[in-house]
Amino acid sequence: SAVISQKPSRDICQRGTSLTIQCQVDSQVTMMFWYRQQPGQSLTLIATANQGSEATYESGFVIDKFPISRPNLTFSTLTVSNMSPEDSSIYLCSVVGQPNTEAFFGQGTRLTVV
Amino acid sequence: DQQVKQNSPSLSVQEGRISILNCDYTNSMFDYFLWYKKYPAEGPTFLISISSIKDKNEDGRFTVFLNKSAKHLSLHIVPSQPGDSAVYFCAASKDNFNKFYFGSGTKLNVKP
Repeated sequence: SAVISQKPSRDICQRGTSLTIQCQVDSQVTMMFWYRQQPGQSLTLIATANQGSEATYESGFVIDKFPISRPNLTFSTLTVSNMSPEDSSIYLCSVVGQPNTEAFFGQGTRLTVV
Repeated sequence: DQQVKQNSPSLSVQEGRISILNCDYTNSMFDYFLWYKKYPAEGPTFLISISSIKDKNEDGRFTVFLNKSAKHLSLHIVPSQPGDSAVYFCAASKDNFNKFYFGSGTKLNVKP
């Protein structure tokens, strides 16, 4: 299993500003992902964080809005840019270790944009 | 278009009885299915999984059933305990488990 530390755990931000969320894993992992859970909704994959290269974004998500960094195999950041109240969600970092195994999740970052 | 659906947003069960949580999917390419449990202010924690080559997987009080022809899976919890009260998400993946598609969750309340 992997232990994932996500910071901050929650934040309240002004619209128009940006927030960077950090994800630290206690071991090297191949696959790291960022999810969003809007109120009452399912977890939606934002992007795959690729080590050493640009992230792979899902339909409906773009790099300008959600820039992602992954400088090594244990760390990634997600920035929510130019925030609006619609960005209020829980953002979750996730990792997958070996094939044929489950994904592990951080505790999430609860973001409220006012 | 949501590929994994949980049509029951909530379920209430008496302690000691069986809890049955249901999940439907639309993509026949999914080959790995999982259930996660989530408490408030915590990330989802893995509960149990099943490969598409099986129709049942059991782990203690938890059993997952897969009906591929109906594109349906269910999670059975027997006996249910108050500590099982949480939101349960089903998830599915394909493509070597790189992406997981989640349902919207079912909130289970186990009454003492």
